[in-house]
Amino acid sequence: ETGVTQSPTHLIKTRGQQVTLRCSSQSGHNTVSWYQQALGQGPQFIFQYYREEENGRGNFPPRFSGLQFPNYSSELNVNALELDDSALYLCASSRPTSGGQETQYFGPGTRLLVL
Amino acid sequence: GQNIDQPTEMTATEGAIVQINCTYQTSGFNGLFWYQQHAGEAPTFLSYNVLDGLEEKGRFSSFLSRSKGYSYLLLKELQMKDSASYLCAPRAFTDKLIFGTGTRLQVFP
Repeated sequence: ETGVTQSPTHLIKTRGQQVTLRCSSQSGHNTVSWYQQALGQGPQFIFQYYREEENGRGNFPPRFSGLQFPNYSSELNVNALELDDSALYLCASSRPTSGGQETQYFGPGTRLLVL
Repeated sequence: GQNIDQPTEMTATEGAIVQINCTYQTSGFNGLFWYQQHAGEAPTFLSYNVLDGLEEKGRFSSFLSRSKGYSYLLLKELQMKDSASYLCAPRAFTDKLIFGTGTRLQVFP
């Protein structure tokens, strides 16, 4: 148990639709990172939020967007869904230390299927 | 560019020792993580190296050589439950983790 929760656990959508995935961070963690993991691949960094501001972004198009709330929970929004968006979406929370960010702890993920 | 290289699959026998190697090239480096991921589950943290050398944690140890862009994860006294994917993830200065495809380890009785 990492203390990081995600909802929903599974989701089925059709091409062109929009989806919102949610993440609740571990207590005391003010940084959340989102990753996409396609079948048989490692997680790919989408973006990171720190104190409600985007703090780094991977190679994903603008239709992938996010929010972080004052309680450090977070949302990942994907517009105009494509078949290739089918994947496991992971959020990971961490907190800053004097040397940078601490270990990232992952939630159980949301498995998205786009038909 | 950024590149992570790990063997795709490895097999080993219960009770044995296995070493999973990882070489990496990243723009910026701020430590390296190893995660374990069972099929259908989220990655779980195993170890973190930021300085050169060996970090030991029970049956698992991890080694880092920053000058060589090289790390390994050593698993001792293998158990059936160690069958999983093992992900090497260097961290860039932006704090993002860069994952390769991971190494799928199968432990046989």
